[in-house]
Amino acid sequence: GAVVSQHPSWVICKSGTSVKIECRSLDFQATTMFWYRQFPKQSLMLMATSNEGSKATYEQGVEKDKFLINHASLTLSTLTVTSAHPEDSSFYICSARAMSGGRYEQYFGPGTRLTVT
Amino acid sequence: GQNIDQPTEMTATEGAIVQINCTYQTSGFNGLFWYQQHAGEAPTFLSYNVLDGLEEKGRFSSFLSRSKGYSYLLLKELQMKDSASYLCAVSLSGYSTLTFGKGTMLLVSP
Repeated sequence: GAVVSQHPSWVICKSGTSVKIECRSLDFQATTMFWYRQFPKQSLMLMATSNEGSKATYEQGVEKDKFLINHASLTLSTLTVTSAHPEDSSFYICSARAMSGGRYEQYFGPGTRLTVT
Repeated sequence: GQNIDQPTEMTATEGAIVQINCTYQTSGFNGLFWYQQHAGEAPTFLSYNVLDGLEEKGRFSSFLSRSKGYSYLLLKELQMKDSASYLCAVSLSGYSTLTFGKGTMLLVSP
């Protein structure tokens, strides 16, 4: 089956620093990847749609200059949280879309827990 | 805007059957997904419905009524490991991402 990995699985950083999270599709090519954020006991909130070779599409309310997304290849998308603050502490999950059985399916990475101190 | 409603929490006992409902009002519809998410982990795919009716997969079944904007996930022979959050998600179109409900936290007790 399709496997999506994320790295790191968890990270602690100081306020004001930047953190990069990688999302890789291991056994398939993904022209589209999605980045979600999930706060405790809440659902997944889509942050942005990442398309290979073009600029990401951000959801309303998500600062594109703060959450930099790069989708440089068909198997890798990165999310960089710039000048992180404690309120950015959250569970960040990526997913990659692939065709399966004639329809698009989304495969989720294991998530990255970010804690900003 | 898109609206997907599910109960916040449900409790059930081991061995029982539980039904988790989901209603949706969305601008488009290209299928409804159910995911299971354990705390601190990513969601895992459970089921997909695009046509009306019941899809059965082992202990889990999912039902869809497009005219009513309604779906349910049925879990049979509950096990302790089924304690998790269950997310209902709608695909608005073939090319869009999923829009998630807030999830239903299911607690299975002995």
